[in-house]
Amino acid sequence: DTGVSQDPRHKITKRGQNVTFRCDPISEHNRLYWYRQTLGQGPEFLTYFQNEAQLEKSRLLSDRFSAERPKGSFSTLEIQRTEQGDSAMYLCASSSTSGSYDNEQFFGPGTRLTVL
Amino acid sequence: AQSVSQHNHHVILSEAASLELGCNYSYGGTVNLFWYVQYPGQHLQLLLKYFSGDPLVKGIKGFEAEFIKSKFSFNLRKPSVQWSDTAEYFCAVIFLSTDSWGKFQFGAGTQVVVTP
Repeated sequence: DTGVSQDPRHKITKRGQNVTFRCDPISEHNRLYWYRQTLGQGPEFLTYFQNEAQLEKSRLLSDRFSAERPKGSFSTLEIQRTEQGDSAMYLCASSSTSGSYDNEQFFGPGTRLTVL
Repeated sequence: AQSVSQHNHHVILSEAASLELGCNYSYGGTVNLFWYVQYPGQHLQLLLKYFSGDPLVKGIKGFEAEFIKSKFSFNLRKPSVQWSDTAEYFCAVIFLSTDSWGKFQFGAGTQVVVTP
């Protein structure tokens, strides 16, 4: 499967714990995006990378959220001191700026976080 | 402020009926427009997209959408639905000149249920 992959698919944690999610984009894609989706809503943009540079992070929900893409390939999203309100589906997408696929984003299956 | 709205949250219809889902956005500039579909238990998949040119675009699985610039709309249509079209449908917009690097704003989604 050469699509976007995310790990884990499901995460249950207790309030106050830290969690980290991983996203592996399509290999030739240089852009990577994180979104959050809550029940009954469309995905909400969180942050974006072009290669290893995090070019937009103003929409990260609080300073408890951080993301990295250290080598311009996979990315991690970390939530520190989780709260029940962080329960949601976290989606990763990737895209390429070359050719006709500019701005078309390919989504992964998501990581469903439940904070107890 | 830029926004995306989908008119219906839930649509129930019978097989062979025609489907039209509304999507409107608020922005005076240039946009890229997308419709994504999420089948039960699956990740978001691109149905179709509009960047420029012919405002009537055809996508996969018999879907089409028409961009009407004067109405700021990008409605999705399918002449005859099948049970397998049961899914959630999301309209997504890139507001160019502010988000040209590809940040999507999604509508809240429309849950479509097709009954046999």
